[in-house]
Amino acid sequence: DAGITQSPRHKVTETGTPVTLRCHQTENHRYMYWYRQDPGHGLRLIHYSYGVKDTDKGEVSDGYSVSRSKTEDFLLTLESATSSQTSVYFCAIGKTSGGSSYNEQFFGPGTRLTVL
Amino acid sequence: EDQVTQSPEALRLQEGESSSLNCSYTVSGLRGLFWYRQDPGKGPEFLFTLYSAGEEKEKERLKATLTKKESFLHITAPKPEDSATYLCAVQAPGNTPLVFGKGTRLSVIA
Repeated sequence: DAGITQSPRHKVTETGTPVTLRCHQTENHRYMYWYRQDPGHGLRLIHYSYGVKDTDKGEVSDGYSVSRSKTEDFLLTLESATSSQTSVYFCAIGKTSGGSSYNEQFFGPGTRLTVL
Repeated sequence: EDQVTQSPEALRLQEGESSSLNCSYTVSGLRGLFWYRQDPGKGPEFLFTLYSAGEEKEKERLKATLTKKESFLHITAPKPEDSATYLCAVQAPGNTPLVFGKGTRLSVIA
């Protein structure tokens, strides 16, 4: 158990509303990630963080923003939700070894988001 | 661009019928190749990391191998509880994010 929780676990919202998803870890790992998983696309990286206030974009970052004010929390915000953002969102933490060379990722339980 | 292709997309096996899943990759300087198992409605569960060609790792009925262009996940005498989607991912040098394949959905029938 990598000590990762996500909240909420399920959410239904309407188009145009802002939505924030929370990822919390208990182990103080430096790297955290947000992915979305859709049928036919697999896991796609949205944003990631390599430290407090240090974030970078992933493959599908448009329409999403992130914040990390504490090591343990990584927030994903959909600024104005659209139906195309209906998906399952996974948070992951990266456990490094050999310095920072290898980054094994461990995933949270996911948040199922439906945008009507 | 780094790419990962998994085959087959779906595989149906009888209990005890051994087989292999394939993960082909193109990456500029492989840093690590990762295998995950994902059950329906859950997050991916880490299985193995492979770092260099020729390396092998085992866990129960699973054995992962790595060459310079692909990795295989061999499943020996599978049981119904091995049914899941198996994901492969690669990492290029420099702490770059993982690139995932679309997965192989394995069903093991009793």
